Amino acid sequence: GENVEQHPSTLSVQEGDSAVIKCTYSDSASNYFPWYKQELGKRPQLIIDIRSNVGEKKDQRIAVTLNKTAKHFSLHITETQPEDSAVYFCAVYGNNRLAFGKGNQVVVIP
Amino acid sequence: NAGVTQTPKFQVLKTGQSMTLQCAQDMNHNSMYWYRQDPGMGLRLIYYSASEGTTDKGEVPNGYNVSRLNKREFSLRLESAAPSQTSVYFCASSEAPRGNSPLHFGNGTRLTVT
Repeated sequence: GENVEQHPSTLSVQEGDSAVIKCTYSDSASNYFPWYKQELGKRPQLIIDIRSNVGEKKDQRIAVTLNKTAKHFSLHITETQPEDSAVYFCAVYGNNRLAFGKGNQVVVIP
Repeated sequence: NAGVTQTPKFQVLKTGQSMTLQCAQDMNHNSMYWYRQDPGMGLRLIYYSASEGTTDKGEVPNGYNVSRLNKREFSLRLESAAPSQTSVYFCASSEAPRGNSPLHFGNGTRLTVT
């Protein structure tokens, strides 16, 4: 099955700096790549997603880039704010199923 | 528009007891899911339903049963709860099958089995 890995497991950043989280996958046929944000005690919520026919997508301070050759995609958060502190899960859709990574803890230090 | 609604929010069971987690969505989605979330394990799929009357096992189906009552409702049943089933359970729905479009999650059920 699909092997989805996220790095680093924990990331601490100063408020205002940028944060980058990388997600690697194994199945080259995968074609849909969402990112979910989960605040403490809350439900996961989609923040951005990308399909395999697109290399980059932006939504205000958040962007996702996809490198199909290297089989990885990254979440970029610019001008981080305390409310960006959360666990971020990447997921990969391929072979008729969705596989989640184990999550990255992002801590924004005021 | 409530989205995905789960009940109960919290539950404590003794080993061997049974219970049903309820889930309903009002987005007219065909696909519905049950996940469990344990520390450090991410989200693991228990069962999936593509439409009313159809269900498929996910990664961790043992000890669970599901019922897709109609298009809106998808319930998860623990027949004989075990401490290993202590977890947070999330129901979700999506427009496209099998997670090929955004998942909309409920607020979760925190279950403790003693």
